[in-house]
Amino acid sequence: EAGVTQFPSHSVIEKGQTVTLRCDPISGHDNLYWYRRVMGKEIKFLLHFVKESKQDESGMPNNRFLAERTGGTYSTLKVQPAELEDSGVYFCASSQVHLGTQYFGPGTRLLVL
Amino acid sequence: AQKITQTQPGMFVQEKEAVTLDCTYDTSDQSYGLFWYKQPSSGEMIFLIYQGSYDEQNATEGRYSLNFQKARKSANLVISASQLGDSAMYFCAMREHDTGNQFYFGTGTSLTVIP
Repeated sequence: EAGVTQFPSHSVIEKGQTVTLRCDPISGHDNLYWYRRVMGKEIKFLLHFVKESKQDESGMPNNRFLAERTGGTYSTLKVQPAELEDSGVYFCASSQVHLGTQYFGPGTRLLVL
Repeated sequence: AQKITQTQPGMFVQEKEAVTLDCTYDTSDQSYGLFWYKQPSSGEMIFLIYQGSYDEQNATEGRYSLNFQKARKSANLVISASQLGDSAMYFCAMREHDTGNQFYFGTGTSLTVIP
């Protein structure tokens, strides 16, 4: 069974540009989460989808971040326009059930110059 | 306030020895779960072990065990018989059942296994 996959693995963009990150959860997992780790800090929650619905987006830093999960399968996280402080590693995770173990993808390393 | 604290930024252990990675947590919930993840240099986050707050026995998974001391609010990971492949970042995480959705992570401990 394939794990959580994320694309791209790395992205380097200039301040003001737009970047879209993609996450494919484990097949059959209704719950999808986005997290972010800024350099030297702990991994922090961004938001949670149940199927295509946003269950909790309390961790989204500001309105430059837009997450979607059309059709309840893969999810995208768009940053527009990107700022220097958005640099970090963006992780996606999925779980089969609410309160189940979350399985993480390898992350996307974003560098904003 | 920090929900998860990992006080060891870096640890070294001799191959075949045991090592304990510390984790303390802060919650007022009665029901919560504690998790450990391993992140090797390749970047993926690998789930290692889970401990529920109501579990009376310490969780074990192969060479991994969780030393759960509820009164002290600690959930240390013990790796026995360390192997070179154990060199990685290790993250402790907690999920509170009242807020259910999100994990709270510590800053991680970098473990290096010395041959």
